[in-house]
Amino acid sequence: EAGVVQSPRYKIIEKKQPVAFWCNPISGHNTLYWYRQNLGQGPELLIRYENEEAVDDSQLPKDRFSAERLKGVDSTLKIQPAELGDSAVYLCASSLQALTSGRINEQFFGPGTRLTVL
Amino acid sequence: AQSVTQLGSHVSVSEGALVLLRCNYSSSVPPYLFWYVQYPNQGLQLLLKYTTGATLVKGINGFEAEFKKSETSFHLTKPSAHMSDAAEYFCAVSFSGGYQKVTFGTGTKLQVIP
Repeated sequence: EAGVVQSPRYKIIEKKQPVAFWCNPISGHNTLYWYRQNLGQGPELLIRYENEEAVDDSQLPKDRFSAERLKGVDSTLKIQPAELGDSAVYLCASSLQALTSGRINEQFFGPGTRLTVL
Repeated sequence: AQSVTQLGSHVSVSEGALVLLRCNYSSSVPPYLFWYVQYPNQGLQLLLKYTTGATLVKGINGFEAEFKKSETSFHLTKPSAHMSDAAEYFCAVSFSGGYQKVTFGTGTKLQVIP
């Protein structure tokens, strides 16, 4: 079974440029998550989708970040314009629906996209 | 607010020695607790999780963790370290009673010395 696929794996851009990250979740997983992992830190949730609906985007900096999950499968995370502080690893994860019978389902992570903003 | 604290950003052990990675959480409601491992340039992989029931949880690769409510701890152990265990380990917490996001600790890098 294929895991979560992310591309690109690495991206270097100048500040103020736009950038986009793509994620293909595990087949059949309704829930998709985008996390940001700063150097030396754990991942922090940016947005969670249940199918095509963004159900938790409270941590997404909406002035410059946007995300979409058309058709409830692939997802794209965009930053425009990028700032120096956006340098981080952006992780995508997927799971079956977040809760089943009150039990939290395991999240499966992709390898991430390492963004460097110069 | 929920949080986890991992004691020690770097831990070194000799090959064959006991591995002990410490995690304490703060919670006013019953927590769900997780340990993830991250190898270089890879995503996170679930090692084990505690939701309810038995407080000693066994995971993959010979790791286990014990939920101690009185100590608000969920330390990760392995009796004998292998070179392949060298990675970064993250403790994480969520809560029961509806979906709550998973909050990760800052991670502990495990070095295994031959």
